[in-house]
Amino acid sequence: DAKTTQPPSMDCAEGRAANLPCNHSTISGNEYVYWYRQIHSQGPQYIIHGLKNNETNEMASLIITEDRKSSTLILPHATLRDTAVYYCIVRGNTNAGKSTFGDGTTLTVKP
Amino acid sequence: KAGVTQTPRYLIKTRGQQVTLSCSPISGHRSVSWYQQTPGQGLQFLFEYFSETQRNKGNFPGRFSGRQFSNSRSEMNVSTLELGDSALYLCASSLRQGLAEAFFGQGTRLTVV
Repeated sequence: DAKTTQPPSMDCAEGRAANLPCNHSTISGNEYVYWYRQIHSQGPQYIIHGLKNNETNEMASLIITEDRKSSTLILPHATLRDTAVYYCIVRGNTNAGKSTFGDGTTLTVKP
Repeated sequence: KAGVTQTPRYLIKTRGQQVTLSCSPISGHRSVSWYQQTPGQGLQFLFEYFSETQRNKGNFPGRFSGRQFSNSRSEMNVSTLELGDSALYLCASSLRQGLAEAFFGQGTRLTVV
């Protein structure tokens, strides 16, 4: 699986958009980008995933650069409940993935 | 629908003992993955099962094993427990193999003393 790099922490004001970056420069053609988050003391929660096109769902948007070497998760209107550790994971959709979560980004949404 | 259920939620064991953790996936989900989470190492992948077959395995010693039953329920076993096995063990289920839309349970907090 490709290695990912995320900033260790970020702050965001409540009601503003939170933009969380992830670098995955060694991503290969069949590998997807997945985003999960973990709120303290809970299991991780799926947010969104994509291959090369931008994706949007009720929780967030995922913007993947054309060369696929980086992506950005966008929470359009962050709330205090969005404070969590956000993980960017790259994994092929085959048998050969081990789903390494890495250290993630701790997002703190402030009032 | 009911979420992923892990039992027990908390467990205290002594070094050298063995332990079995259980995971009941969401109804209809055929893939179950297990993870170990510790403050120092973060979330580490243990193994993934799909249709009763282990499809992927992480870099853990052979003391860690698992299985999946025909109803998709899964168990993981750790033998000869060590202090370093103290961790939160998380189970995730999904319709297909992989990370897409996997649902995690609350985890089993194992403490080895």
